[in-house]
Amino acid sequence: NAGVTQTPKFQVLKTGQSMTLQCAQDMNHNSMYWYRQDPGMGLRLIYYSASEGTTDKGEVPNGYNVSRLNKREFSLRLESAAPSQTSVYFCASRPVNAGANVLTFGAGSRLTVL
Amino acid sequence: EDQVTQSPEALRLQEGESSSLNCSYTVSGLRGLFWYRQDPGKGPEFLFTLYSAGEEKEKERLKATLTKKESFLHITAPKPEDSATYLCAVHPPNAGNNRKLIWGLGTSLAVNP
Repeated sequence: NAGVTQTPKFQVLKTGQSMTLQCAQDMNHNSMYWYRQDPGMGLRLIYYSASEGTTDKGEVPNGYNVSRLNKREFSLRLESAAPSQTSVYFCASRPVNAGANVLTFGAGSRLTVL
Repeated sequence: EDQVTQSPEALRLQEGESSSLNCSYTVSGLRGLFWYRQDPGKGPEFLFTLYSAGEEKEKERLKATLTKKESFLHITAPKPEDSATYLCAVHPPNAGNNRKLIWGLGTSLAVNP
């Protein structure tokens, strides 16, 4: 059981380049999330998708776009990368009826923007 | 402003030396408080959810407790494999679907053999 799979694990970009972070979950979860984690800032929500076909902004959506391709997949796109987007990105998912509101996280994607 | 503060930032223990990590919050009427463990290079892994003051949850050497203003993660007789960063998050009353979880910065725990 793979859980939440993120690709790539590492990426180096130049300022202005674009890229897409991929996320897939095999737990039949309805909700999916993208977070970034920076030293001294904690985890911050970028975008989330409550269910297939819906997406909403989180705390720090500027500079990002997302696509909920189907129930399994939720991608995060950087259209024109900036050094401020250097971070570790985590995808997470949650079943709709989880009484504990438990998030299952992927292993992370470390992005460096030069 | 709603805040979650974890202390200490870092803690070094000898194997078998029990201690506690603290998570204090200013959220009123929280809908849940969560503890996660994060190993280096990995995503956070869920440990506990607490909903009301007085509630306690246990798992192996870990016990989480909750009061109206803070939560403690007690680690009894820790082992080196307990070394990790422990994150606390709070679900405030006006947020739905985790989209506004408030996360602490974590406590980095190192347990020496």
